[in-house]
Amino acid sequence: GAVVSQHPSWVICKSGTSVKIECRSLDFQATTMFWYRQFPKQSLMLMATSNEGSKATYEQGVEKDKFLINHASLTLSTLTVTSAHPEDSSFYICSAREGLAVSSYEQYFGPGTRLTVT
Amino acid sequence: RKEVEQDPGPFNVPEGATVAFNCTYSNSASQSFFWYRQDCRKEPKLLMSVYSSGNEDGRFTAQLNRASQYISLLIRDSKLSDSATYLCVVNGNNDMRFGAGTRLTVKP
Repeated sequence: GAVVSQHPSWVICKSGTSVKIECRSLDFQATTMFWYRQFPKQSLMLMATSNEGSKATYEQGVEKDKFLINHASLTLSTLTVTSAHPEDSSFYICSAREGLAVSSYEQYFGPGTRLTVT
Repeated sequence: RKEVEQDPGPFNVPEGATVAFNCTYSNSASQSFFWYRQDCRKEPKLLMSVYSSGNEDGRFTAQLNRASQYISLLIRDSKLSDSATYLCVVNGNNDMRFGAGTRLTVKP
C-alpha cells in the first residue's frame, strides 16, 4: 500500500514555542491531506483538510491561526502548532488521499507525531 | 448527536470467542464505510471496507444496514493478536469521520 511518513515521530517542546510537523506521501501524489488529533482514549478528531495549492479548511473549533497548515506540494503538508501550550499535547496524525473526489479512497495514514508540551 | 457512534466497550474475551461490534452513523448520504484497527500509540490501519451486501475476510465479517444506518463487525475465533481498538469509519462530505473506537482485549 501507499506510504505516508511523518516527522518528527515524537517531540517535546516548551510552552510558548512553535512546533512544525511534516507529512509526506512517499509513493503517490497526495491531492488532499488531512490532519487529525487524538487525545488519550479518544477517537481521531479531524482538524483540517487541505488541498494542494489551496488554503486549508478547518473544522469548527480549530483555530486556524494557531494550527498553521501548508500544503505547498503534492507530496508535502506541514502543520505548525504556534505558541504551544500543555493542552496542545496530543497525538497528531496526518493522512493523504490521491484524488480530490470522495470516491478516490483510500486514505493512507502517517505513523503519527506525539507532541508533549511542558 | 455524534456523527459516528460505537459500542463504548471495553470488551474482554477469551481466546477463541466470537465478538461483535456495532456502529451507527448519522449522515444518511454516506457512501463509504470502513473498519480500522488501531494499536496503542500507533496510526489506524484499514481492516476492511464494508459493502452493502456484507463481506467476509477470514475470521472477520462486516455488515451494513443502510436503512438503519448501522454497521457491524464480527470477529470469530478471536486471537490474542486481535487485541486492539476497532474504529468505525464513515465518509463525510469530503473526509472520513471516526467513531470513538471500541477496545478489545483477548485473553489466554
